[in-house]
Amino acid sequence: EADIYQTPRYLVIGTGKKITLECSQTMGHDKMYWYQQDPGMELHLIHYSYGVNSTEKGDLSSESTVSRIRTEHFPLTLESARPSHTSQYLCASSDSSGGVRGQETQYFGPGTRLLVL
Amino acid sequence: RKEVEQDPGPFNVPEGATVAFNCTYSNSASQSFFWYRQDCRKEPKLLMSVYSSGNEDGRFTAQLNRASQYISLLIRDSKLSDSATYLCPEPGNQFYFGTGTSLTVIP
Repeated sequence: EADIYQTPRYLVIGTGKKITLECSQTMGHDKMYWYQQDPGMELHLIHYSYGVNSTEKGDLSSESTVSRIRTEHFPLTLESARPSHTSQYLCASSDSSGGVRGQETQYFGPGTRLLVL
Repeated sequence: RKEVEQDPGPFNVPEGATVAFNCTYSNSASQSFFWYRQDCRKEPKLLMSVYSSGNEDGRFTAQLNRASQYISLLIRDSKLSDSATYLCPEPGNQFYFGTGTSLTVIP
C-alpha cells in the first residue's frame, strides 16, 4: 500500500469560499502531482512538483495554486471555489532516484471529492 | 498531444473468460511501461510494470512488442473483481494516463 494521504476525503462547500486540499506522503518521494478527474473521464494534470520550492502548472488550466515547502507535503488551494470546480482531486507521488526519467511509478492518494454549491 | 492509444472498450466478458487489451505508443525511445487499474470512484493503482519482453503475475500477463510499439495486458480466468478501468500511461510522459479501457466481468 502506498503511504500517501489526502484530506478531506469529501468536501461540500459554498461558492466563493477558499479551500485547501491536503496531500502528504511518507515515502520520501521527490515528485508530486495533482490531477483532476470527473466521473468516467480521464485524469487531467493540474499541477506538479519536482522537489521543494519547485511547482509547475499542468496541461489543464486551473484556478488553483500549490506550494511545496516540505518534501512530504503538497497542498492545493482554491482561492474562490465555484461550481465548475466540482470534481475529484487526486494527489500522486513518484521517486525519480531509481528509475528512468519520466518512467517512475506513480502512487496515488485516495482522492478528495469536492462539491461546490 | 497523445502518444498512446488504448482499445476503445468497453469489454464485457463472462466470468472465467480470457481477455486482452492493447496499448499502442509512438515514443520508440521509451524504456519502461506500466499498467494501472482504477476501480469505480477509486484512485489508480499500479497493476504491473512491463520491462523488456514483459512479465507475468498470476492470472495477469503483460507483454511488450517493440517492433509494433504496443504493450498488451492479458487476463486469464476473469473474476468479478477484475471489473475496473485499465490505464496505460504514456511512456516517457509521466503525466498522461488516457481514458483507459473499461472491463466488466459478468457472472
